[in-house]
Amino acid sequence: GQNIDQPTEMTATEGAIVQINCTYQTSGFNGLFWYQQHAGEAPTFLSYNVLDGLEEKGRFSSFLSRSKGYSYLLLKELQMKDSASYLCAITDSNYQLIWGAGTKLIIKP
Amino acid sequence: DVKVTQSSRYLVKRTGEKVFLECVQDMDHENMFWYRQDPGLGLRLIYFSYDVKMKEKGDIPEGYSVSREKKERFSLILESASTNQTSMYLCASSSAGGHVGEQFFGPGTRLTVL
Repeated sequence: GQNIDQPTEMTATEGAIVQINCTYQTSGFNGLFWYQQHAGEAPTFLSYNVLDGLEEKGRFSSFLSRSKGYSYLLLKELQMKDSASYLCAITDSNYQLIWGAGTKLIIKP
Repeated sequence: DVKVTQSSRYLVKRTGEKVFLECVQDMDHENMFWYRQDPGLGLRLIYFSYDVKMKEKGDIPEGYSVSREKKERFSLILESASTNQTSMYLCASSSAGGHVGEQFFGPGTRLTVL
């Protein structure tokens, strides 16, 4: 079967660093995506990993280990506007997106 | 910028009514998708389309149908709304030439069925 797990909720402090983990099980794998979704708004694309390693994009980085079925999203220098849900999704062997339930990130001053 | 619009942000309907949710994208994307999003669950794919007149069932098509008569427009139809279809409905589009998972979403329609 196919399954994606990520923590339901995390809390972090403004200015700090937070790592949001995502583990997955799938019969086929063609890439992993991270999306950000602010409350009441649509998800927006953050990052894409298809090879093992770290992809850095400004304050956000995403890591993938295909052998471990594991990814993380790293957010540095947290700002209040980073309070949002972060959705992990993978494309399976049919190139369909399978979504995790999302991690709600709460930033405290 | 890619823009995906949905006909309504909030909608209240009664059980048994026929409901139309419209989605329009302005970037000439080939692929269009309809999802529903419920608390504690990931986005679930209802239907998708890779071309005009073409439609494919997603994971939860029961109780829904779709129409894609023009490339830019993808409509979701609830033939007879039921209370368990109360949800947030999200439309998305993507380019056939890009990453299949890089989808652009509309603002969503929060549907309440009474």
